[in-house]
Amino acid sequence: AQSVTQPDIHITVSEGASLELRCNYSYGATPYLFWYVQSPGQGLQLLLKYFSGDTLVQGIKGFEAEFKRSQSSFNLRKPSVHWSDAAEYFCAVGAEWEYGNKLVFGAGTILRVKS
Amino acid sequence: GAGVSQTPSNKVTEKGKYVELRCDPISGHTALYWYRQSLGQGPEFLIYFQGTGAADDSGLPNDRFFAVRPEGSVSTLKIQRTERGDSAVYLCASSPNRLGTAGGPYNEQFFGPGTRLTVL
Repeated sequence: AQSVTQPDIHITVSEGASLELRCNYSYGATPYLFWYVQSPGQGLQLLLKYFSGDTLVQGIKGFEAEFKRSQSSFNLRKPSVHWSDAAEYFCAVGAEWEYGNKLVFGAGTILRVKS
Repeated sequence: GAGVSQTPSNKVTEKGKYVELRCDPISGHTALYWYRQSLGQGPEFLIYFQGTGAADDSGLPNDRFFAVRPEGSVSTLKIQRTERGDSAVYLCASSPNRLGTAGGPYNEQFFGPGTRLTVL
């Protein structure tokens, strides 16, 4: 079965500093990988996704993520964090249709941005 | 255009009561998903509809939980004899089609704002 681990429950960075949020997944085949952001009281918004091809994917709001099959990782990065990036971030893995058609989420990482 | 909407946004009920949570997907989306997000956790899959039928209900925790989508659009998640442990945010998502097919296109899931259920 698929699973996702986000090792960091909370991360605090200074505004303007770089950011990396870690995500490790477990899945036997080629995964679909996603990063979502959730602000308080808001729904989940897709930041970026990896389906196939180039392992470095660009997303919205200046985020990027790199798929590393050898490390089973899909870490999210941003070179310069803005105060508005404070939110909770979820990594998720999706399976091809015959395995269930659902997303499996990690427990999330809460990002705090200090000025 | 309009996104996924969920009503009510908040629901407070007493232990043992019955509740219904509604999801209005994006028009034309054939796939609909329910997830449950407990405090401090990521969303957990409950059930997936393709059209009117429940294609995968493996995430429903027990037989107190049931969901329907009679006309292939609006869906209702029904919880009988609610328990305090049912307190969570219930998220609905819709997609143009199923998540993906081998070698085929990927269909993004669009999430609604959720219904926060509190069982006293």
